[in-house]
Amino acid sequence: GENVEQHPSTLSVQEGDSAVIKCTYSDSASNYFPWYKQELGKRPQLIIDIRSNVGEKKDQRIAVTLNKTAKHFSLHITETQPEDSAVYFCAASPSGTYKYIFGTGTRLKVLA
Amino acid sequence: DAMVIQNPRYQVTQFGKPVTLSCSQTLNHNVMYWYQQKSSQAPKLLFHYYDKDFNNEADTPDNFQSRRPNTSFCFLDIRSPGLGDAAMYLCATSRDGRGHQETQYFGPGTRLLVL
Repeated sequence: GENVEQHPSTLSVQEGDSAVIKCTYSDSASNYFPWYKQELGKRPQLIIDIRSNVGEKKDQRIAVTLNKTAKHFSLHITETQPEDSAVYFCAASPSGTYKYIFGTGTRLKVLA
Repeated sequence: DAMVIQNPRYQVTQFGKPVTLSCSQTLNHNVMYWYQQKSSQAPKLLFHYYDKDFNNEADTPDNFQSRRPNTSFCFLDIRSPGLGDAAMYLCATSRDGRGHQETQYFGPGTRLLVL
């Protein structure tokens, strides 16, 4: 079955700097890759997603890149703000299933 | 405007006392999920339904069961809660994308405490 690894587990950046979180997946049949932001005590919220027929997607300060050959995808946050501090989860969903396999999470701290 | 609703938000039960958590959705989505999330960990899939078709994860304990009486509602039954079952339980839904995955929407979760 699918396995998703996520790095780093914690990340501290200065306000205004960029943050990059990386995930690798094992199942080449995975074709949908969402990223979730989860604040303490709250539900995971989708922030951006990408499908396997696209290499990059951007939404304001957030971007995701996908390398299907290497089976990895990354989240890029530019001009970080203190409100970006949260736990971020990547996920992969294999084609033909309705399952989402989550990475282990990255705790991002943006220092003011 | 709530799309995925979970009740109760907080549940306290005693060791071994059955408990039921509920989830409802106004999105008319085919697929509903139950996840268990412990502190600082990723959500762990317990079950999912495609309509009434039930899918159990291989490592979901027998202590956990689920029911989906109709499209809108889904229940998680914990028959004999142990201390290790204390966690946040998240319900989620997604639409059948006719061959491709769609966005997953999470409810606010029910935090279960076992005394």
